[in-house]
Amino acid sequence: EAAVTQSPRNKVAVTGGKVTLSCNQTNNHNNMYWYRQDTGHGLRLIHYSYGAGSTEKGDIPDGYKASRPSQENFSLILELATPSQTSVYFCASGDAAGQDTQYFGPGTRLLVL
Amino acid sequence: QQQVRQSPQSLTVWEGETAILNCSYENSAFDYFPWYQQFPGEGPALLISILSVSDKKEDGRFTIFFNKREKKLSLHIADSQPGDSATYFCAANSGGSNAKLTFGKGTKLSVKS
Repeated sequence: EAAVTQSPRNKVAVTGGKVTLSCNQTNNHNNMYWYRQDTGHGLRLIHYSYGAGSTEKGDIPDGYKASRPSQENFSLILELATPSQTSVYFCASGDAAGQDTQYFGPGTRLLVL
Repeated sequence: QQQVRQSPQSLTVWEGETAILNCSYENSAFDYFPWYQQFPGEGPALLISILSVSDKKEDGRFTIFFNKREKKLSLHIADSQPGDSATYFCAANSGGSNAKLTFGKGTKLSVKS
């Protein structure tokens, strides 16, 4: 049974529109992460969270907001989507103790037209 | 500034050969190095990891060799199988609670039969 799920799995949005990507984890992990994956760039960290109510900026936070309303849920919000945000987005949860093995969801493929 | 570098970008080997994937890093504080495996259409999944106090870690056909002095490590996949065809990411962090992972850009491995 998948421990990290993402919705939607695919999304087409219009430029300037608002997009919300959702992530749910049943690992009871404190840490959660949002990455985007683009050819030639690997995985780049957008936002992360250490627990409910907390959000932190990652390496490429511009144009994105994050929300962690509960231990289980972590959302990524694009207030004004742009074509440059077309990508595959991955959510992950991690055990804050020790080496923080991260467990990834299946990804959301976002196309901004 | 790319703190974790991987080479080659892509690699093709024949079934039964040993595939060697390379990784190097810049931050001397890094002490934990996981390798993630990603199949098309899926999220990355932890394959094998090593701590900087060790110079070798084996798990079945997968072996990490680690050289702390040169800040280099490599993943060896023995007796490569077509099912090993995937993208492999080297990552690193400096340990401790809430330490973020830094990912390389990945090596795409193709195993031909």
